[in-house]
Amino acid sequence: GQSLEQPSEVTAVEGAIVQINCTYQTSGFYGLSWYQQHDGGAPTFLSYNALDGLEETGRFSSFLSRSDSYGYLLLQELQMKDSASYFCADSGGYQKVTFGTGTKLQVIP
Amino acid sequence: GAGVSQSPRYKVTKRGQDVALRCDPISGHVSLYWYRQALGQGPEFLTYFNYEAQQDKSGLPNDRFSAERPEGSISTLTIQRTEQRDSAMYRCASSTGQANSGNTIYFGEGSWLTVV
Repeated sequence: GQSLEQPSEVTAVEGAIVQINCTYQTSGFYGLSWYQQHDGGAPTFLSYNALDGLEETGRFSSFLSRSDSYGYLLLQELQMKDSASYFCADSGGYQKVTFGTGTKLQVIP
Repeated sequence: GAGVSQSPRYKVTKRGQDVALRCDPISGHVSLYWYRQALGQGPEFLTYFNYEAQQDKSGLPNDRFSAERPEGSISTLTIQRTEQRDSAMYRCASSTGQANSGNTIYFGEGSWLTVV
């Protein structure tokens, strides 16, 4: 079956950098996506890695290593509004999308 | 439509009743997904469709749960003989299904089901 593991909680200071890791065991892997979900809201797409390496989108970057079955989301210049849950997901193509266990990020002043 | 639309947004039902949750995906999206999300947890896969074909229903908890998408657009998730453990947020999502887009999926606001 598919499984994607993440740390359950991370706390970081406003303005700092934080890395949220994701290790996966999936079959038919296409790529790794990241979603953000604020309390009471729906998950929204942040980034996608089809290939190994780093993808940068503003303050957010995502990294994938297929050989290690590992990826991470890097958030820089943290803002209070970044406090949310973050999920990795295996995705790509016409197939089911499985979400990770989720990481609750708390940004403190 | 502009986004994924789900109805009802909130549903309270008595144990043993059947409920039907509706999802209207983004126009033109090939793939449609149903997830269940408990408080503090990630979306749990239930089932998904490409067009009208149900590709995978391995996440449906038991045979009280079923889903259909007869014309490849609107989908209905039906829970028969509801039980209290069915109480959760049920989220629908849709995507173009294209690999080169990372298969970004767009979620609806969800249907919050409470079984009393």
